[in-house]
Amino acid sequence: AQKVTQAQTEISVVEKEDVTLDCVYETRDTTYYLFWYKQPPSGELVFLIRRNSFDEQNEISGRYSWNFQKSTSSFNFTITASQVVDSAVYFCALSDERSNDYKLSFGAGTTVTVRA
Amino acid sequence: DTGVSQNPRHKITKRGQNVTFRCDPISEHNRLYWYRQTLGQGPEFLTYFQNEAQLEKSRLLSDRFSAERPKGSFSTLEIQRTEQGDSAMYLCASSFAGGDFGELFFGEGSRLTVL
Repeated sequence: AQKVTQAQTEISVVEKEDVTLDCVYETRDTTYYLFWYKQPPSGELVFLIRRNSFDEQNEISGRYSWNFQKSTSSFNFTITASQVVDSAVYFCALSDERSNDYKLSFGAGTTVTVRA
Repeated sequence: DTGVSQNPRHKITKRGQNVTFRCDPISEHNRLYWYRQTLGQGPEFLTYFQNEAQLEKSRLLSDRFSAERPKGSFSTLEIQRTEQGDSAMYLCASSFAGGDFGELFFGEGSRLTVL
């Protein structure tokens, strides 16, 4: 069974602070994919990043960066120099290759509020 | 607007009534998905179409739920004899087979409130 845990329910920061979102996952599969999606107040989820289980290289993309550690089953996500527009609910998700890419298992989400 | 479109955005109904939601995916996308999201939770997979074929249904999709995608374009999700537990946001997403794995394009959702 697959499970994604986002222990942080809400995070509130002041603009320009960095925000790190925690994600811990469980899977028995050796090949899997991890994702971060953003859900702004308008409701539509927006794909942010994807990582496969064979690539533990951490990367930075603009103000976004992620830290994937298989040893601790964690896939944390950081927003650097947060802006008010970053206010949204952020979801970590997991999919194994066998289930194809439509069966994403989402965590409960972390609500990020960035105050001006 | 070329994104995923869902209608209606909000539906309030009395218990026992039937409701139908429509999803228009991005035109070149051949895959279409329905997810359900309850308050404070992440989306849960309901069902999936590739073109007009419904390839998988979640156990969450009871026999009161039916989804169709008659011509491989738009899709409808019907809930018969609604119950209060059906109150949720119903999300539609689409993607292109062969596109980036797991990159689903979501609509803004249809919120159902069952009184």
